[in-house]
Amino acid sequence: EIVMTQSPATLSLSLGEGVALSCRASQSISNNLAWYQQKPGQAPRLLIYGASTRATGIPGRFTGSGSGTDFTLTITSLQSEDFAVYYCQQYNNWPPYSFGQGTKLEIK
Amino acid sequence: EVQLMKSGGGLVSPGGSHRLSCTASGFTPIYAWLTWVRQVPGKGLEWVARIKSNTDGGATDYAAPVKGRFIISRDDSKNTLFLQMNFLKTEDSGVYYCTRVHVDGAFDVWGQGSVVSVSS
Repeated sequence: EIVMTQSPATLSLSLGEGVALSCRASQSISNNLAWYQQKPGQAPRLLIYGASTRATGIPGRFTGSGSGTDFTLTITSLQSEDFAVYYCQQYNNWPPYSFGQGTKLEIK
Repeated sequence: EVQLMKSGGGLVSPGGSHRLSCTASGFTPIYAWLTWVRQVPGKGLEWVARIKSNTDGGATDYAAPVKGRFIISRDDSKNTLFLQMNFLKTEDSGVYYCTRVHVDGAFDVWGQGSVVSVSS
C-alpha cells in the first residue's frame, strides 16, 4: 500500500501571500496524483489531476508540479476563498486509492 | 450540471445494516467508474470501495477495513450507485461521499455526502 504524507499539517498565512504545499509518496506513482480542496461542511473539490493539470474551472493561481514521489501544490496570491484543507491522492497503484492526511490553510 | 445526489444517511446500531444510494444527473454513468469515500468528522479522507463500469467488466474493490462487510453495486438503468453496509461498527461512522472516477483516474465529481452514525 502506498502511503501519502503531506506537510505541514497547518499553515497560517495572510491574504495575498503565496504558498507551496508538499506531498510525498512512499514509492513512485509517476504523475498519477490529484489535489483536492475541502471547505467546512462541503465535499472535496478536484483541483489538479495528473500532478499538473488544472480541473475545469480552477483558477490559474493553483499550480501542481512534481512526479515520482515528490509533489507540490503552489497557490499564488491567496484569496479568502482559498483558506481550506488540501488533500493529495495517488491513483497509480490501487486498491487502495490513498489520500494524504491533509494540510489546513488558516488566515493569519 | 454534472451532479451526484446522495440519499440514505442515518443512525444505525452496531452490528446492523444500512444502504446508501447516489443518483447521477447531468451525465450518463454507464461508462463511469464510481467510488465511495468516507470521512470521520475532523479527520481525513478514506477511500472505501470502487466499481468499474459494466463495459469494463463491473469489477469491485474494497478497502481492507470494509472488505467482506460492505458491497458496492450499481443500477445503470436508474443511474444509481449503492453501498450496502453490513455488520456495522462504531468506527464506520462518518460522512460518505459518492464520486465519479475521471478518465485520468482522479475523482472529479463528488456527491454532497451522507452522514452515517453507528451507535448504541
